[in-house]
Amino acid sequence: DGGITQSPKYLFRKEGQNVTLSCEQNLNHDAMYWYRQDPGQGLRLIYYSQIVNDFQKGDIAEGYSVSREKKESFPLTVTSAQKNPTAFYLCASSSRTGKTDTQYFGPGTRLTVL
Amino acid sequence: AQSVAQPEDQVNVAEGNPLTVKCTYSVSGNPYLFWYVQYPNRGLQFLLKYITGDNLVKGSYGFEAEFNKSQTSFHLKKPSALVSDSALYFCAVRVLSNDYKLSFGAGTTVTVRA
Repeated sequence: DGGITQSPKYLFRKEGQNVTLSCEQNLNHDAMYWYRQDPGQGLRLIYYSQIVNDFQKGDIAEGYSVSREKKESFPLTVTSAQKNPTAFYLCASSSRTGKTDTQYFGPGTRLTVL
Repeated sequence: AQSVAQPEDQVNVAEGNPLTVKCTYSVSGNPYLFWYVQYPNRGLQFLLKYITGDNLVKGSYGFEAEFNKSQTSFHLKKPSALVSDSALYFCAVRVLSNDYKLSFGAGTTVTVRA
């Protein structure tokens, strides 16, 4: 987990609210990623960013939004359009998006919709 | 397209016995393969990766994995399991293409009994 921080650790949201999950890295990595983890389904990619001010949709981007204004930061907003947002959210980073580069993960944020 | 399968949801072994966690992959190109471990309510920790070269890859905490191209497998092994190895293990694959994506298996829960 070292070098990548996520906050908060636990987050509760009422239906209809938008919430923002924080991800910060001090590894000087260019690329950052957001994944969603549900029991028995592995990890699914939401969004990724290779460079500041640029990002691309992953496999399950609907109902989510991101920004990449700084190299160190890649916040994820879970909007009210996301129908089933309760999950464990993981942020990752890598030095570049080369095929051999290793992604390193933060400690995660557990989001629960009340 | 690329995918990875972990055929066992759970693996149970006694402490001191060999541990094997299975992974098979399906890709249309040369695969880059990764193993991660996740402890409860934590992020993923990188264990090892196969890029090219020697089919036997050594990683962290005494783990190793063997790449078998003919069987399209990348099984994770440890000669003598510890109770502290009890965790959720993920296999992941990436291919040589313009697609950066890392595809994860559903995970295998390992329980090592004392």
